[in-house]
Amino acid sequence: QITLKESGPTLVKPTQTLTLTCTFSGFSLSTSGEGVGWIRQPPGKALDWLALIYWDDDKYYSPSLKNRVTITKDTSKNQVVLTMTNMDPVDTATYYCLHMVGKATVTKGMDYWGQGTLVTVSS
Amino acid sequence: EIVMTQSPATLSVSPGERATLSCRASQSVSTHFAWYQQKPGQAPRLLIYGASTRATGIPARFSGSGSGTEFTLTISSLQSEDFAVYYCQHYNNWPPLFGGGTKVEIK
Repeated sequence: QITLKESGPTLVKPTQTLTLTCTFSGFSLSTSGEGVGWIRQPPGKALDWLALIYWDDDKYYSPSLKNRVTITKDTSKNQVVLTMTNMDPVDTATYYCLHMVGKATVTKGMDYWGQGTLVTVSS
Repeated sequence: EIVMTQSPATLSVSPGERATLSCRASQSVSTHFAWYQQKPGQAPRLLIYGASTRATGIPARFSGSGSGTEFTLTISSLQSEDFAVYYCQHYNNWPPLFGGGTKVEIK
């Protein structure tokens, strides 16, 4: 059974750096095809991609956030870490990590999601 | 980027009725396409991938169709637990963007 859980601060100040950790079980990021991504959802709004990392350390970033976001993995701990610099109140959102298998057109969708964590950016 | 546009924004349907949701891609995504359901306070749940394949555990009343740029999600007979927001997504290339969502509400 695959599970994912996000952890990190619920409140950050403007200009600070946000660090979120996704801890997962039921699969290994050292297995071919496996990927973990981050998506956020501002209150009442739609889903917005942040970053994605695969078993082979291939990484993808949102074009609009590429300069602020970094994704890394720790295979031994079954964790994926997202950092986002220079946080702003508009970055207030629920941040989700998710699981997918296969790259691009090979995938069968984002099949497992964490429960999400609400991050508020305010001074 | 391939932009996904969903319509309508809100769909009012009575329980037991059929619901039809639409999604249009700004360019062809073949069948590299998925639908998700999201209920308040919950994470999205994968319903359909490959435009028409139901994900594990998804009831048969949910069906997807389409290819290229036009896609449809049909809920054959709405149950109380189906009132939610539905998102479409392509995964033809990066970034695999989502549509803005269709809220299915009780009429």
